[in-house]
Amino acid sequence: LAKTTQPISMDSYEGQEVNITCSHNNIATNDYITWYQQFPSQGPRFIIQGYKTKVTNEVASLFIPADRKSSTLSLPRVSLSDTAVYYCLVGDKADSNYQLIWGAGTKLIIKP
Amino acid sequence: GAGVSQTPSNKVTEKGKYVELRCDPISGHTALYWYRQSLGQGPEFLIYFQGTGAADDSGLPNDRFFAVRPEGSVSTLKIQRTERGDSAVYLCASRARVVWETQYFGPGTRLLVL
Repeated sequence: LAKTTQPISMDSYEGQEVNITCSHNNIATNDYITWYQQFPSQGPRFIIQGYKTKVTNEVASLFIPADRKSSTLSLPRVSLSDTAVYYCLVGDKADSNYQLIWGAGTKLIIKP
Repeated sequence: GAGVSQTPSNKVTEKGKYVELRCDPISGHTALYWYRQSLGQGPEFLIYFQGTGAADDSGLPNDRFFAVRPEGSVSTLKIQRTERGDSAVYLCASRARVVWETQYFGPGTRLLVL
């Protein structure tokens, strides 16, 4: 079973900021939170990873509250090309048998 | 540099046939993963190689599925006596030696068993 819970789908409009929240109530001390993006007919692509507080890169920001039981992926000023499925995963990245357990993800649809 | 490549991109076969799916990881990546993805679902872990050996094959659904990586680079996923339920996209991912590096996925092979 996936360790995370995400909304099945979300809609937004071009130019808006989109926030996708993921619940991981049973996150372990050594677990990191990783987000992937998947376009149709492509494999998933890493977006961002974090442990606590806030992480930002050129694509997105990841907000993690102190209790780490949830996290929010923030996509600034989305465009039509951000339409994709977004997966939130948790796992101990220091574990040599580190496999990511994937849920169904959040299907994000951006409208013009 | 080149990413992960998978061949064929599409494979149509008949129930009961044998198929082989190939994955070429990123050069130098020691870890290689196979996943299976059904429509509307996230990837489902099948097997993980560290070098030439299968470090974890707990995700293989049954003994009809087998994977090899004889030289620690290219990997082949083999499915015997295919069934219609095997129809899915088979994804391969590779990762550098360092455990906490991200996985890089190929485009997948879309398998259809008629």
